[in-house]
Amino acid sequence: QKEVEQDPGPLSVPEGAIVSLNCTYSNSAFQYFMWYRQYSRKGPELLMYTYSSGNKEDGRFTAQVDKSSKYISLFIRDSQPSDSATYLCAMSAWGQGAQKLVFGQGTRLTINP
Amino acid sequence: DSGVTQTPKHLITATGQRVTLRCSPRSGDLSVYWYQQSLDQGLQFLIQYYNGEERAKGNILERFSAQQFPDLHSELNLSSLELGDSALYFCASTPAPGSPLHFGNGTRLTVT
Repeated sequence: QKEVEQDPGPLSVPEGAIVSLNCTYSNSAFQYFMWYRQYSRKGPELLMYTYSSGNKEDGRFTAQVDKSSKYISLFIRDSQPSDSATYLCAMSAWGQGAQKLVFGQGTRLTINP
Repeated sequence: DSGVTQTPKHLITATGQRVTLRCSPRSGDLSVYWYQQSLDQGLQFLIQYYNGEERAKGNILERFSAQQFPDLHSELNLSSLELGDSALYFCASTPAPGSPLHFGNGTRLTVT
């Protein structure tokens, strides 16, 4: 079993829809949770960074962490064609002088005009 | 622009050859990470350096090596290249462990 599971999609939705992207994880030591957006042929770009359970909102994006269920989500409201990209979840644990950072496989999202 | 610079952007080489990928982290970032991304594997962690010292190793092949120099830039050396080494290689940096990573735009390596 992978430490981080993410449905690779692809996911296709109409413009204006609410998008829900999810990841589950098995390692309870993970403390930090991130979402990255990656456009084709570009490096991953940090979208959201959270530490605790609960919700964090930034514009049209909301990150949700449920540590008890080992489940994180990213919601995109009023989705735009420019949101079409691959979204990667990532989570990390700090210990023994090093950070262990694990990425999900990424979900390919297309927003149709 | 993340502030992380990777060169070259593209590299085409033959099997058996050796290449060096270069990364300049964001100003002030002491930690550098290297990742490999291929179509069917996602982002695979290779190695991490912090202020010149190796801190963690992932699934890095023995044919691959890296180092971080006193000016904090890093190089990833890939030798005895195989067709399967064709991938995007990303460098990322953070100011300190536990902080989120900021990625460069990668080097696309094609081995023919």
